[in-house]
Amino acid sequence: AQSVAQPEDQVNVAEGNPLTVKCTYSVSGNPYLFWYVQYPNRGLQFLLKYITGDNLVKGSYGFEAEFNKSQTSFHLKKPSALVSDSALYFCAVRDGGGYQKVTFGTGTKLQVIP
Amino acid sequence: GAVVSQHPSRVICKSGTSVKIECRSLDFQATTMFWYRQFPKQSLMLMATSNEGSKATYEQGVEKDKFLINHASLTLSTLTVTSAHPEDSSFYICSARTPLAGSNTGELFFGEGSRLTVL
Repeated sequence: AQSVAQPEDQVNVAEGNPLTVKCTYSVSGNPYLFWYVQYPNRGLQFLLKYITGDNLVKGSYGFEAEFNKSQTSFHLKKPSALVSDSALYFCAVRDGGGYQKVTFGTGTKLQVIP
Repeated sequence: GAVVSQHPSRVICKSGTSVKIECRSLDFQATTMFWYRQFPKQSLMLMATSNEGSKATYEQGVEKDKFLINHASLTLSTLTVTSAHPEDSSFYICSARTPLAGSNTGELFFGEGSRLTVL
């Protein structure tokens, strides 16, 4: 069975500071990893994904994530946080390609303080 | 990216009535769509996988007679909450997967969600 852990319910960061939202995963095969963002009463928006290749993946709105196979982590990062980045962030994993289900983490609320 | 439209965005109904939520992929054909339920301050719970032209696959614990899913075309899936009760009040989100082809793993695109309130 595959699983995703987001250990922090909430992350607070000052505007302009770097931010990190943590994610660890567990799959039996090759991990396909994703980050999504959700604004209040809205659906999820895709930020970035790791399938293969470079461990550092760049995505939308200046976000990036680093795949670390040995630590089974896929932390989301941004060099300089904006107030508008405040939202709920979900990490997700799929075991390989094809028709495998996507499993979501419990979400981390990011609060950027002006 | 691809666009998934979900309608209605908000619906209020009386207990005992049925409510239908539509999920449309606007610019791609989706042989597979997914329905999720999200409780306040919680993650997304996959309810069922909707396959075009065949029966939906429900997750354990989800009542298939309660949550009827129809995927009649490559661009439309519907979720009908039958005989709704207050405990069915929730945020329901659909997603559609772009076609798998060769090394293309397919992407998930989400609708904007539907807030159901059962009085």
